[in-house]
Amino acid sequence: DTEVTQTPKHLVMGMTNKKSLKCEQHMGHRAMYWYKQKAKKPPELMFVYSYEKLSINESVPSRFSPECPNSSLLNLHLHALQPEDSALYLCASSQDWWGYTFGSGTRLTVV
Amino acid sequence: DAKTTQPTSMDCAEGRAANLPCNHSTISGNEYVYWYRQIHSQGPQYIIHGLKNNETNEMASLIITEDRKSSTLILPHATLRDTAVYYCIVRVRSQGNLIFGKGTKLSVKP
Repeated sequence: DTEVTQTPKHLVMGMTNKKSLKCEQHMGHRAMYWYKQKAKKPPELMFVYSYEKLSINESVPSRFSPECPNSSLLNLHLHALQPEDSALYLCASSQDWWGYTFGSGTRLTVV
Repeated sequence: DAKTTQPTSMDCAEGRAANLPCNHSTISGNEYVYWYRQIHSQGPQYIIHGLKNNETNEMASLIITEDRKSSTLILPHATLRDTAVYYCIVRVRSQGNLIFGKGTKLSVKP
């Protein structure tokens, strides 16, 4: 298995809702990442997990809460989001010097 | 990580070689050049990386100048499916995170 799987592919949520994005990989990669991508912009790094520990939080608002339950899973918990948080959320994993493997993303719309 | 400069957009005729340039004049000795591409509405895809020697794989070739201040990604026979945004990224291998610049939007035309 050489893929990163993200669910759901699309999500519409209200500003008072709580939802979670999920990411899974079975390549044995020990680093996992969340990126946010607005339309016509490059992906922006949000969080980095290394060996299941959060190593980098790029000044992301607390309404985004990451979780790494085990080495294969990465979640992003969402609460009280704003319309400007609507974006494509990408998950990636990597191991050592090799390139990153990205999922296809979750397209989030906050209404 | 060193910064990179790429043209905003390029066109290429189908079947011809696409040559995408990247400037990285502040690259340091232990930094590698990585190329990724992102086809519309998909996640970025790894293409190739190199340190100072030219590299080739089934997708593309990477030519790095002798002073390592610039590089060129070559898609030898571009197809319509190669239409994408191509990102050149410089980072220390096994360290540093993948930070994307603005990239080059390549349009392959029939």
